[in-house]
Amino acid sequence: AQSVAQPEDQVNVAEGNPLTVKCTYSVSGNPYLFWYVQYPNRGLQFLLKYITGDNLVKGSYGFEAEFNKSQTSFHLKKPSALVSDSALYFCAVRPHYGGSQGNLIFGKGTKLSVKP
Amino acid sequence: GAVVSQHPSWVICKSGTSVKIECRSLDFQATTMFWYRQFPKQSLMLMATSNEGSKATYEQGVEKDKFLINHASLTLSTLTVTSAHPEDSSFYICSASTDRAGANVLTFGAGSRLTVL
Repeated sequence: AQSVAQPEDQVNVAEGNPLTVKCTYSVSGNPYLFWYVQYPNRGLQFLLKYITGDNLVKGSYGFEAEFNKSQTSFHLKKPSALVSDSALYFCAVRPHYGGSQGNLIFGKGTKLSVKP
Repeated sequence: GAVVSQHPSWVICKSGTSVKIECRSLDFQATTMFWYRQFPKQSLMLMATSNEGSKATYEQGVEKDKFLINHASLTLSTLTVTSAHPEDSSFYICSASTDRAGANVLTFGAGSRLTVL
């Protein structure tokens, strides 16, 4: 079965330290990979995506993610965390073949807490 | 950038009543809109895909007679929860796309929290 795993329910980081939010996937074929962020009582906001090309993808707000095909991972990273980065982060995968564009497979989300 | 507006942002209703949630693309035409359901501390689950001018495509296990979707224009899709029951209480989120195929990024609405008493 196709799935996305975010192994950590919560990640705690001190402001100014680097952060990593992990994501692994199990999807047949070459998937499209996304990271979204959700602030309280808000919809999901797009951060970045990997479709093809360079494995290191840079996105909004200084975030980046690295696609690792051998490890089937797409971890989200930021060199220096801000308190304002505190939110719920979702990794999502869209199988390359079949299904509608909205048929994203979402991870369960990781709550990022950045303390001053 | 593209903006998707959902209304209402929250609604409380009595069991047995129907509730309509609107999803509008404010500054672009959305050929396709998607409806998701998010349970507390869980991920989003795609409920259905609606294409302007045609019937919605429902995901397996989603009752089409329970969750009526209408996409009458390129900027508006509605989700009606009919004869709502407490188990229908959830956070409903819509997203919109400008392309029927490809890897375009989806724009999400802020969500609508439904509480059925």
